[in-house]
Amino acid sequence: DVKVTQSSRYLVKRTGEKVFLECVQDMDHENMFWYRQDPGLGLRLIYFSYDVKMKEKGDIPEGYSVSREKKERFSLILESASTNQTSMYLCASSLIPGNEQFFGPGTRLTVL
Amino acid sequence: AQSVTQLDSQVPVFEEAPVELRCNYSSSVSVYLFWYVQYPNQGLQLLLKYLSGSTLVKGINGFEAEFNKSQTSFHLRKPSVHISDTAEYFCAVIPGGSYIPTFGRGTSLIVHP
Repeated sequence: DVKVTQSSRYLVKRTGEKVFLECVQDMDHENMFWYRQDPGLGLRLIYFSYDVKMKEKGDIPEGYSVSREKKERFSLILESASTNQTSMYLCASSLIPGNEQFFGPGTRLTVL
Repeated sequence: AQSVTQLDSQVPVFEEAPVELRCNYSSSVSVYLFWYVQYPNQGLQLLLKYLSGSTLVKGINGFEAEFNKSQTSFHLRKPSVHISDTAEYFCAVIPGGSYIPTFGRGTSLIVHP
């Protein structure tokens, strides 16, 4: 069964901290994605990656960066966390263009 | 740019009643269409997808959706809902040749006993 895992389900951080969110997929997928989900706004794409060491900005990349050193792992980095980054963060992967995405369980991040 | 509109933010229904969740998209080019479900405190999981072929698509848990190209719609239906169907439902569209979906804002289905 396909699987996308995220390092934490819940995370509480302080303003100004550097935060790492990790995502691992075991499906050998080329494409990986980071979204944030906020009530009433749906899913908004932060960054995506279509290959190792490749990354592209999504719709809301400000305040975030990503790293993909290995095919199965895609990390989201909040360089200096702020309270407006309190949100649910979802990682996803997909195999080919036009195919469905497989999602992790999400990390609910609270920045105090 | 592609846009996806889920016309209802919340749909309350009674158990065993039929339900329709509406989704319209903007693109007139070929598209791939998806419905995902998100149960509380979980990630999204695929309900069904339309890539090509028959416009009536059947998915898991008794859900189905109909692709209407002329109306650029992909409405989700279930003839009889259960309490366990209470969840958030997202419509997503991928333009042909792309792998970046655009998601709707979601519809919260609330099933009352």
